[in-house]
Amino acid sequence: GNSVTQMEGPVTLSEEAFLTINCTYTATGYPSLFWYVQYPGEGLQLLLKATKADDKGSNKGFEATYRKETTSFHLEKGSVQVSDSAVYFCALSDRTNAGKSTFGDGTTLTVKP
Amino acid sequence: SQTIHQWPATLVQPVGSPLSLECTVEGTSNPNLYWYRQAAGRGLQLLFYSVGIGQISSEVPQNLSASRPQDRQFILSSKKLLLSDSGFYLCAWSVPQRVAYEQYFGPGTRLTVT
Repeated sequence: GNSVTQMEGPVTLSEEAFLTINCTYTATGYPSLFWYVQYPGEGLQLLLKATKADDKGSNKGFEATYRKETTSFHLEKGSVQVSDSAVYFCALSDRTNAGKSTFGDGTTLTVKP
Repeated sequence: SQTIHQWPATLVQPVGSPLSLECTVEGTSNPNLYWYRQAAGRGLQLLFYSVGIGQISSEVPQNLSASRPQDRQFILSSKKLLLSDSGFYLCAWSVPQRVAYEQYFGPGTRLTVT
């Protein structure tokens, strides 16, 4: 079956630090890859996506590149802000099966001023 | 634009009582619909998904059931709640036949079974 493994948290950074959250996946087919963000007490929001190998998804200064050879989709941001504090989920969707998604366990990011 | 609603936002129910959580989507037709449960500090567990009215697929055998009586309505139910049913329940939708199948989530329902 499909699975997603994320870097364990929590992660605590100072404002303007560089962020990397690692994500690797196992999939039987050719999935689409996503990063979602969840703020306290809310549902998940799509942060960025990539649909094929070497695609780079980007949004709000966050980036992730679909690496098929290493089955990875690491999230990066050059300079984090306090407002980036949230839980980040890596996920994949199975295009052959109604878009069923598999999520990682989430990584909690806290950014301190 | 599309909007997804979930209610209630929070719910406290005694063990053995019934449950009904509702999710509706506006601004799209024939969406794929999903129910997830998120335990505290954990990832999301897919419970049910639906590709059309009356079509429900269950991912995990459990105390819950789902129904889709209308195109944009998805209901999660239980006849008798267990303590282990506590959690944060999220409804989501996606556009079928798209390349990415990104999902759009509702605000969630916090269920506490006492």
